[in-house]
Amino acid sequence: GQQVQQSPASLVLQEGENAELQCNFSSTATQLQWFYQSPGGSLVSLLSNPSGTKHTGRLTSTTVTKERRSSLHISSSQTTDSGTYLCAIDRTGGNYKPTFGKGTSLVVHP
Amino acid sequence: EAGVTQSPRYAVLQEGQAVSFWCDPISGHDTLYWYQQPRDQGPQLLVYFRDEAVIDNSQLPSDRFSAVRPKGTNSTLKIQSAKQGDTATYLCASSPDSMKQYFGPGTRLTVL
Repeated sequence: GQQVQQSPASLVLQEGENAELQCNFSSTATQLQWFYQSPGGSLVSLLSNPSGTKHTGRLTSTTVTKERRSSLHISSSQTTDSGTYLCAIDRTGGNYKPTFGKGTSLVVHP
Repeated sequence: EAGVTQSPRYAVLQEGQAVSFWCDPISGHDTLYWYQQPRDQGPQLLVYFRDEAVIDNSQLPSDRFSAVRPKGTNSTLKIQSAKQGDTATYLCASSPDSMKQYFGPGTRLTVL
């Protein structure tokens, strides 16, 4: 089945530092999304980026489809960025059925 | 617009007890997903529906888990005889287009 590996498992930053999160997957993805999960548990979609580079606010995602990897860059981190960042892959190309990684836990200290 | 709602938010059971989780998706979203998220893991898809039809339930432990969406709106996920290994957060998500998903707050289940 589809495997999604995320690294690092956890990351601790001081406010203002940048974060780089990685997602590697075992087979070609037709869809790739990055999600944020708050400490209370709710998931929110941040970016959909199956290939290339996308920006939104302080977030930049770069996906290299041939190399089966994606990164999420968070610039100028804030304490409110603390939480878990999840990468999800789908390769069905029809019915969307995502496979999630275990996530990267980010803690940003003031 | 109201988001996806789930109830209850928390449940604590003894092994062998039954429990039901309820999900009310965003109005107009035809696709509904149920995920199981054990502690320190990513969400794992259990089952998903388009309208009232089950599209994929291959990851649903059919001997103890069941899920229905009878009118293509609200959905119920039931565990007949809970085990300690079922301890997890159960997440519901809905989607208007089988692409972007909107998640509910989840139900945190503890089986003692």
